[in-house]
Amino acid sequence: SYVVTQPPSVSVAPGQTARITCGGYNIGGTSVHWYQQRPGQAPVLVVYDDSDRPSGIPERLSGSNSGNTATLTISRVEAGDEADYYCQVWDSRSDHVVFGGGTKLTVL
Amino acid sequence: QVQLVESGGGVVQPGRSLRLSCAASGFSFSVYGMHWVRQAPGKGLEWVAVISYDGSNKYYVDSVKGRFTISRDNSRTTVYLQMNSLRTEDTAVYYCAKDFNPGATVTNLDYWGQGTLVTVSS
Repeated sequence: SYVVTQPPSVSVAPGQTARITCGGYNIGGTSVHWYQQRPGQAPVLVVYDDSDRPSGIPERLSGSNSGNTATLTISRVEAGDEADYYCQVWDSRSDHVVFGGGTKLTVL
Repeated sequence: QVQLVESGGGVVQPGRSLRLSCAASGFSFSVYGMHWVRQAPGKGLEWVAVISYDGSNKYYVDSVKGRFTISRDNSRTTVYLQMNSLRTEDTAVYYCAKDFNPGATVTNLDYWGQGTLVTVSS
């Protein structure tokens, strides 16, 4: 089935911008969703349909998707953003939900 | 507010069975697809299965096909995961999650339960 690839880790200083990528063949042709998972907690949807935010998610988190790469951007990073982030797509060819391997965001 | 509460986890020997339940409330359960997702200790998320709003369509990750069965009871607003022939590699926290869109299309998972731990060990 479809494969999506994330970098295992991203590090950024407080106040800077973090970019977490999700790669896949022609991923720009499908909708990508992003989840945040803090240690010991369940995942939370933070971006859906490439760039929309559920209510309660700050505008500092944004998404984009084009070509072979989708990106979750976190502006003005705070200590509370430290978490694992997962991208997700629906592979209609195999009827499978596909998650990326996850990216650990470390705030320095 | 939306609530998803999983139960049924525990320690089980390889080859045995276990049934997980997820009690849902706070939304129109019968119009949304429901998912099970698992996370092995220290690992990433792995989607396990989805069932459509009316139970007519079910899809599974290849590693559980033929062993796990997802079902739902709309009158009880509960989704189940029957797990047979369990293996040590099935050890994980199992989350149930609600699909975002009403109807048959699978999209994203907008609400998650807190998970239930399944440990398969002799």
